[in-house]
Amino acid sequence: KQEVTQIPAALSVPEGENLVLNCSFTDSAIYNLQWFRQDPGKGLTSLLLIQSSQREQTSGRLNASLDKSSGRSTLYIAASQPGDSATYLCAVSPGAQKLVFGQGTRLTINP
Amino acid sequence: NAGVMQNPRHLVRRRGQEARLRCSPMKGHSHVYWYRQLPEEGLKFMVYLQKENIIDESGMPKERFSAEFPKEGPSILRIQQVVRGDSAAYFCASSPRTWSSDTNSPLHFGNGTRLTVT
Repeated sequence: KQEVTQIPAALSVPEGENLVLNCSFTDSAIYNLQWFRQDPGKGLTSLLLIQSSQREQTSGRLNASLDKSSGRSTLYIAASQPGDSATYLCAVSPGAQKLVFGQGTRLTINP
Repeated sequence: NAGVMQNPRHLVRRRGQEARLRCSPMKGHSHVYWYRQLPEEGLKFMVYLQKENIIDESGMPKERFSAEFPKEGPSILRIQQVVRGDSAAYFCASSPRTWSSDTNSPLHFGNGTRLTVT
């Protein structure tokens, strides 16, 4: 059974810092991995999707990496801003048209 | 192109009542997925539907919960005789085609329906 773990559960850093969020999964047989952002009381916004054959994806200040063999992904956020404060969710697709989510990392960027 | 639309945004029901949650997928999307986010827990898959067909309902509770995606109209998640433990945020997502290892299409989520059972 696929399980996804995100560490840390919460993170608070001053504005301008670079930071890394971690995601690990137990079964390397995945189609893809997605990182989402969830704001309080809101839905999910897809940030980056990495196919199983890819090693990383970049979008603006965000960079996500994938190491299938070790069951790990990282989301790197450069030059953090207060507007980056949100919960970041990692999810893997083990096939069969579904996503398995981690519990999320609650990120606070302090001005 | 409107995103995935869910309504209502908030729904309050007394124990024993029925809750009906609606999801209109993105234009051109014929695949719908429902997820539930219980308080302090991660999102959990409930059901995957294509037009008029339930493809995978492995995450649905065995009783009181049902889902449909008719030929015309939105997908409906129906919860009969709600209990306090059903209080959660229910999210719908859609995609234009069956996922495969070749697709680069992310799953698009709606803003969710927050169900409160009193």
